[in-house]
Amino acid sequence: GEDVEQSLFLSVREGDSSVINCTYTDSSSTYLYWYKQEPGAGLQLLTYIFSNMDMKQDQRLTVLLNKKDKHLSLRIADTQTGDSAIYFCAERGGKLIFGQGTELSVKP
Amino acid sequence: EAQVTQNPRYLITVTGKKLTVTCSQNMNHEYMSWYRQDPGLGLRQIYYSMNVEVTDKGDVPEGYKVSRKEKRNFPLILESPSPNQTSLYFCASSSHASGSTDTQYFGPGTRLTVL
Repeated sequence: GEDVEQSLFLSVREGDSSVINCTYTDSSSTYLYWYKQEPGAGLQLLTYIFSNMDMKQDQRLTVLLNKKDKHLSLRIADTQTGDSAIYFCAERGGKLIFGQGTELSVKP
Repeated sequence: EAQVTQNPRYLITVTGKKLTVTCSQNMNHEYMSWYRQDPGLGLRQIYYSMNVEVTDKGDVPEGYKVSRKEKRNFPLILESPSPNQTSLYFCASSSHASGSTDTQYFGPGTRLTVL
């Protein structure tokens, strides 16, 4: 079946850029998403990208999509302590499938 | 305020004691779903509902039931909970099942422990 994979942990220093990576297997994916989960809260949609796009930028967030390699990344520029959270990649082909989540830790 | 609410937020129970986790949305959304979140496994869909009286199994439906008698409510029922159902549960809703920017709104989560 379809699968979405992410590394589980990422640690960066405040002010640095963070890059969270995701790979997926569903070649029929139409949309790919990044969700953020803060401690004790549900998931919030951060951004999404359509499968025929290579890149999308939204303020400090840059999403890169390599459809050939089925690889998605989220870059957070000037990472702040408030960016500490779990970030989920998700893809929609037939249904919405989530990755395991990457826990981002930002050290001052 | 647009929101999805879940109750209770925390629950500790014992094996075999039936329980219901309620979910309600105030956005007139057609599509609602339940997920469970477990460490290292991400979110896995339990059940979903495309509209009133229309429900279907997700990826991990065993041991769960749902109902959708009204558009706004989508309760999750555990008839005989077992310890392997200890997890963090999220309800979500969106205006359509598919669609690019149809944002799924998530509830705050229910942390269930089955002893």
